[in-house]
Amino acid sequence: QSVLTQPPSVSGAPGQRVTISCTGSSSNIGAGYDVHWYQQRPGKAPQLLMFGEHNRPSGVPDRFSGSKSGTSASLAITGLQAEDEADYYCQSYDSSNNYVFGTGTKVTVL
Amino acid sequence: QVQLQESGPGLVKPSETLSLTCTVSAGSVTTYYWSWIRQSAGKGLEWLGRISISGHSNYNPSLKGRVALSLDTSKNQLSLRLISVTAADTAVYYCAREIFGALYVDVWGKGTTVTVSS
Repeated sequence: QSVLTQPPSVSGAPGQRVTISCTGSSSNIGAGYDVHWYQQRPGKAPQLLMFGEHNRPSGVPDRFSGSKSGTSASLAITGLQAEDEADYYCQSYDSSNNYVFGTGTKVTVL
Repeated sequence: QVQLQESGPGLVKPSETLSLTCTVSAGSVTTYYWSWIRQSAGKGLEWLGRISISGHSNYNPSLKGRVALSLDTSKNQLSLRLISVTAADTAVYYCAREIFGALYVDVWGKGTTVTVSS
């Protein structure tokens, strides 16, 4: 029962820029809660990719960037690489004190 | 670096109780919030709940009171208990760490697969 909506898939050629949208509501993103992003490679556990829209954990390349506006957020990947092929999930919090996740987006490198 | 390892039965019968444990290494369960998150095959992530040493806990309302989390400081473990399971509870279950107040998880376990079947 994902509360945040993401496109099922995006694709791009190596070197291109792709963006993933994450749409919420006034009870989560629109209420001012931060949006965070996770990357999940096949058969692996998710890993934190970005927190607080703009912050990257150590080791995450600066090809990944985030933004947020109103009830939506976006993750951009510039200079797409083969290793970026994975599933990506956004996550926020809601006014009922629950974590909420996005529906997930599969990124394919053509 | 902190590591999380989930463990528990891989097969649970319908209507019975699913119990999982997450062992925390190189870190203390008293210092953070801890969440359980699951993922059904080919599906997205579903947050189940979170707990801290203060006893504060939140649970996903969609589980309708079937879930309970606990911490065992003597064993440095967190536990998940999900009652009255059905096939819909078949999933990979992850434990994860949240720095107090961060409202995101920064460390995940590798996950454990639970199948609900008779």
